[in-house]
Amino acid sequence: DVKVTQSSRYLVKRTGEKVFLECVQDMDHENMFWYRQDPGLGLRLIYFSYDVKMKEKGDIPEGYSVSREKKERFSLILESASTNQTSMYLCASRSTAGTGFEKEQYFGPGTRLTVT
Amino acid sequence: SQQGEEDPQALSIQEGENATMNCSYKTSINNLQWYRQNSGRGLVHLILIRSNEREKHSGRLRVTLDTSKKSSSLLITASRAADTASYFCASNQGGKLIFGQGTELSVKP
Repeated sequence: DVKVTQSSRYLVKRTGEKVFLECVQDMDHENMFWYRQDPGLGLRLIYFSYDVKMKEKGDIPEGYSVSREKKERFSLILESASTNQTSMYLCASRSTAGTGFEKEQYFGPGTRLTVT
Repeated sequence: SQQGEEDPQALSIQEGENATMNCSYKTSINNLQWYRQNSGRGLVHLILIRSNEREKHSGRLRVTLDTSKKSSSLLITASRAADTASYFCASNQGGKLIFGQGTELSVKP
């Protein structure tokens, strides 16, 4: 079974702090994704990575950066946390074997971040 | 907004009844996927239907896809209390998933 883990289930940070959210997958997947989920807005893509050292902006990258130094790990960084970044953050991974970018994504359990 | 739309936003039924959720999307797709999310948890993939398929079954799940109308539906037959969750459709547009806002399903025992 694919396992995607996230470093924290709940996190409380202060405005202006630098925040690191870590995601690790154990299935050698090439693609990894960061989403945020807010009530009434569904999931929105922040950043994604096709492979190690690669990153692409999603739909809402402002205020975030990412790092992918190893294939299994994808980090989301909030450079200076603000209250409007209070949200549920979900990491996902996907294999590109066979059918390329058509496969399903595997999600971690989520990190509920509160910025006060 | 690129986001898809789901209908209804919330659905409450009795155990044993069928539940139907609808999804619309905006641009051409590679495939459409349905996911389930239990309260406060991550999403779990349920079923994927390719753009050249019209219907697909998996256990108690039946998915249809109408690319001319840019819409899909998910039918859960003989629902159980354990099916209580939020259900999301996601259209695969060039490798990126565009999620709908979800349908919150409540199945009462």
